[in-house]
Amino acid sequence: QKEVEQDPGPLSVPEGAIVSLNCTYSNSAFQYFMWYRQYSRKGPELLMYTYSSGNKEDGRFTAQVDKSSKYISLFIRDSQPSDSATYLCAMSAGTNAGKSTFGDGTTLTVKP
Amino acid sequence: SAVISQKPSRDICQRGTSLTIQCQVDSQVTMMFWYRQQPGQSLTLIATANQGSEATYESGFVIDKFPISRPNLTFSTLTVSNMSPEDSSIYLCSVELSGEQETQYFGPGTRLLVL
Repeated sequence: QKEVEQDPGPLSVPEGAIVSLNCTYSNSAFQYFMWYRQYSRKGPELLMYTYSSGNKEDGRFTAQVDKSSKYISLFIRDSQPSDSATYLCAMSAGTNAGKSTFGDGTTLTVKP
Repeated sequence: SAVISQKPSRDICQRGTSLTIQCQVDSQVTMMFWYRQQPGQSLTLIATANQGSEATYESGFVIDKFPISRPNLTFSTLTVSNMSPEDSSIYLCSVELSGEQETQYFGPGTRLLVL
């Protein structure tokens, strides 16, 4: 069983929709939770970073962490065609983001 | 932030040969990492590249197969040795900046196809 499981997708939504991306994990030691966005033929870029449980909002993006359920989510409001990309969740037990465990990614397409 | 470049951006190699991938950062960084992203799969950490000493490898990866060098704070290489088709993948380097341990920046990746 993988340490991090991500809803596989792919996901296709109309422009303006609310998107929910989700991951579950099994390692209770994970304390740092990240979401990356990866455009085709590019490296991942960090979108959101959350420590422990709770919500974090940044513009149209909201990250939620529920450590009791070992479940994290990324919500995208008013989705735009430019949001079309693969979204990767990642988690680490220590402070070094570089030693993260990644989900397999969910590919999102936002149609105009 | 950091700007990271990788060379080559892509390559097609024959079975049994080796390829060295370069990673250059535009600023001095504390930590550099090498990841592999196989088709349809998640990123998997290969190793941490340590400046001036041997790299630290993750379970399942060994130095003989993936030798890594890091001669200074801005540059690292990863060699994929004695390649087989199973090594076909995207190889990415990433860095952490001093004081920003919660953030890592990725290079654009090197797409490798082994025939």
